[in-house]
Amino acid sequence: DADVTQTPRNRITKTGKRIMLECSQTKGHDRMYWYRQDPGLGLRLIYYSFDVKDINKGEISDGYSVSRQAQAKFSLSLESAIPNQTALYFCATSDPTGDQETQYFGPGTRLLVL
Amino acid sequence: KQEVTQIPAALSVPEGENLVLNCSFTDSAIYNLQWFRQDPGKGLTSLLLIQSSQREQTSGRLNASLDKSSGRSTLYIAASQPGDSATYLCAAANQAGTALIFGKGTTLSVSS
Repeated sequence: DADVTQTPRNRITKTGKRIMLECSQTKGHDRMYWYRQDPGLGLRLIYYSFDVKDINKGEISDGYSVSRQAQAKFSLSLESAIPNQTALYFCATSDPTGDQETQYFGPGTRLLVL
Repeated sequence: KQEVTQIPAALSVPEGENLVLNCSFTDSAIYNLQWFRQDPGKGLTSLLLIQSSQREQTSGRLNASLDKSSGRSTLYIAASQPGDSATYLCAAANQAGTALIFGKGTTLSVSS
């Protein structure tokens, strides 16, 4: 089983709809991240969390919110989706106490906003 | 603000060639630098991580180097194979536990 899983893997939604992307991990890592990837722009950080009680904005947090429900779960919400949020979304985890903080990525969620 | 650049954006080589992918960064005060591989439509797989105190890391046919003074890292792939075809991303972390700043990647195609 994959260590970092994301659901759904693909999603099509309409402008104005609220959607949630979910991330779960079995690696036991405290630190979790949400990135988006756009062609020509690379990966950019949306939000990150160092533990259940810690949430931090990244480079492009506007229009997004997150929830850290447990150590293993970190959800990303689009309150009112817009077409320029069409992208590939990745969740990642890292462990500050081991393996030099290598970040481990999920398989991604491909989101299309019409 | 840290910026990461990868050149070239795309590279095509015949099987068996040794090749070098380049990554440059603007702020030399990095915590670590990671190289990732991304297959089309897939997630990222970590290949190598170099701490700021290290000069290089090796894994199999891959060798990554880090020169903080010049703001450069290279990924050397020996004896390339068609299975090495993918997009290679480098990313810098400025502090422990912070997000990675990614380059836009180099798409490698190895022909048989």
